Amino acid sequence: DIQMTQSPSSLSASVGDRVTITCRASQSISSYLNWYQQRPGKPPKLLIYTASNLHSGVPSRFSGRGSGTDFTLTISSLQPEDFAIYYCQQSFSTPRTFGQGTKVEIK
Amino acid sequence: QVQLQESGPGLVKPSQTLSLTCTVSGGSLSSGGYYWSWIRQHPGKGLEWIGFIYYSGTTYYNPSLRSRVTLSVDMSKNQFSLKLTSVTAADTAVYYCASYDSSVGEDYFDHWGQGTLVAVSS
Repeated sequence: DIQMTQSPSSLSASVGDRVTITCRASQSISSYLNWYQQRPGKPPKLLIYTASNLHSGVPSRFSGRGSGTDFTLTISSLQPEDFAIYYCQQSFSTPRTFGQGTKVEIK
Repeated sequence: QVQLQESGPGLVKPSQTLSLTCTVSGGSLSSGGYYWSWIRQHPGKGLEWIGFIYYSGTTYYNPSLRSRVTLSVDMSKNQFSLKLTSVTAADTAVYYCASYDSSVGEDYFDHWGQGTLVAVSS
């Protein structure tokens, strides 16, 4: 199985801050990396697919980059509705696996 | 807009079988390029992929659960289902059904049900 490791596990930030979350795969996954946002009590919501493609309807303050084993999700200017848990997920092979999540909290 | 809704018992006894159904609306199970998936989330924890099923019946399972999982589709009702046998407390989780877009250039979970909490307890 491909292991996905996110860092940090949690962070505190203020509205307007630039935030970057890192995801590392245990082996190369090319660009087969997706990012999801999960708010409390809700299902995950797709933000970014194939490492850098913004899903329909997702604000442009979200961006992704990377390939191989190292990937980042950046929120350029944190908004109140962005406080949530973010997960990366690899689509390179089965079983599909997720990172452990990064919780973005209000400072 | 595709919508998914999980249904099934919220409480299952240890050693019994957990059975859930996902009803798809606003789209067809036979939509090309789409796989239909189950994912679970243990309380306060991360996400675990359980498996996929294509409308043809082709399945892919997480090896960690393969011996206990069966996915099936009911095209007449536009539903797909999960059966997990010999459950223990470790199977207590929120279970989500989701669509997986595997079209050319796409490979992601794009629509999710709201999730259903299944507790395993006597």
